[in-house]
Amino acid sequence: TQLLEQSPQFLSIQEGENLTVYCNSSSVFSSLQWYRQEPGEGPVLLVTVVTGGEVKKLKRLTFQFGDARKDSSLHITAAQPGDTGLYLCAGLNSGNTPLVFGKGTRLSVIA
Amino acid sequence: DAGITQSPRHKVTETGTPVTLRCHQTENHRYMYWYRQDPGHGLRLIHYSYGVKDTDKGEVSDGYSVSRSKTEDFLLTLESATSSQTSVYFCAISPGGLNYGYTFGSGTRLTVV
Repeated sequence: TQLLEQSPQFLSIQEGENLTVYCNSSSVFSSLQWYRQEPGEGPVLLVTVVTGGEVKKLKRLTFQFGDARKDSSLHITAAQPGDTGLYLCAGLNSGNTPLVFGKGTRLSVIA
Repeated sequence: DAGITQSPRHKVTETGTPVTLRCHQTENHRYMYWYRQDPGHGLRLIHYSYGVKDTDKGEVSDGYSVSRSKTEDFLLTLESATSSQTSVYFCAISPGGLNYGYTFGSGTRLTVV
């Protein structure tokens, strides 16, 4: 079973601070995806990265896929209360196998 | 238009009773998935489908069965509900392929008493 370890599990920061969330595995993935989940709702896709070393930006969010395709990071610049939520990374081994999810990082941004 | 809907949103049932959760999609996606989400465990795959009448087990399939008789509907059945099956259940859909993410439903909160 391929495992994805996310760190930290919990993060509470002040508005305006920067933060990085990590997603690590001993296995190689064909692609890594990041989702954000708010209370009472299902996860919503933020980004998909498929190439080792790939960097994608989504406004204040920067996603990176490790060169060896075993890890990924999510960096948020100048966090805002609206960034509060559960951030999940998920790995795909091939196009037709189900996603494997990490346990998530619960982020709280305090105004 | 949500593209994927789950029903019911909430359900309380008694131990030993059968329960069926429904997932309906309007996207005509090939793949459909059932996950459960529990504190400390994250999202765990129960069953998935890769086409009409084509299904496979996930990591926590014991006590659950699924059926997909039409592209748009994927049913999850708890044959005889137990308290350990109290959870939030999410359905997801995907067209397949490395570049496509999943679209999740809003979830069903099931409580077995």
